[in-house]
Amino acid sequence: EPEVTQTPSHQVTQMGQEVILRCVPISNHLYFYWYRQILGQKVEFLVSFYNNEISEKSEIFDDQFSVERPDGSNFTLKIRSTKLEDSAMYFCASSVRVGVETQYFGPGTRLLVL
Amino acid sequence: GEDVEQSLFLSVREGDSSVINCTYTDSSSTYLYWYKQEPGAGLQLLTYIFSNMDMKQDQRLTVLLNKKDKHLSLRIADTQTGDSAIYFCAESRRGGGNKLTFGTGTQLKVEL
Repeated sequence: EPEVTQTPSHQVTQMGQEVILRCVPISNHLYFYWYRQILGQKVEFLVSFYNNEISEKSEIFDDQFSVERPDGSNFTLKIRSTKLEDSAMYFCASSVRVGVETQYFGPGTRLLVL
Repeated sequence: GEDVEQSLFLSVREGDSSVINCTYTDSSSTYLYWYKQEPGAGLQLLTYIFSNMDMKQDQRLTVLLNKKDKHLSLRIADTQTGDSAIYFCAESRRGGGNKLTFGTGTQLKVEL
């Protein structure tokens, strides 16, 4: 069964460093998403992406964040200058925008900012 | 804005039924979902229901939707130890980026 994959599974970085989280969505999906879950808190929406542009973004998704689909398969989330409060599990998801809009999630990348 | 709430914990005995409840505030919610998260793992889609339905059954899972009260429930029949996980209710609206708004999650513990 096709699935969303994410790399790396864990990342440790120093405050102020740039990180890039990578995702490979399901191949025939057209919508892509990033969510994050700070330990013990709700899963929060960050951004959605369709047709090579951002469809919607949350207040969390400020100028430090950017997303890109650099080729036909990868979808990346970049955090330019990480802060301690960026430590979280980051989930990528994808969906087919035809009728049922269920989103399929990857296993997540656990980011720890020291 | 949208808000989705769930009780934090539920403990049941193996073989019993579990009922996990969720309330939401957005009357324009179009789709409602249940996701399962096992320790250290990602979010697994269990089932979903359209807002124009009031019930959906899928093997051991039954979803009930009371749109008037904005109340969603997930019933797991014959609960097994492998069902121990956190269960998230989520909602989305048609249009825009189709973002999911998640509840707080309910930790289900199944005891022998």
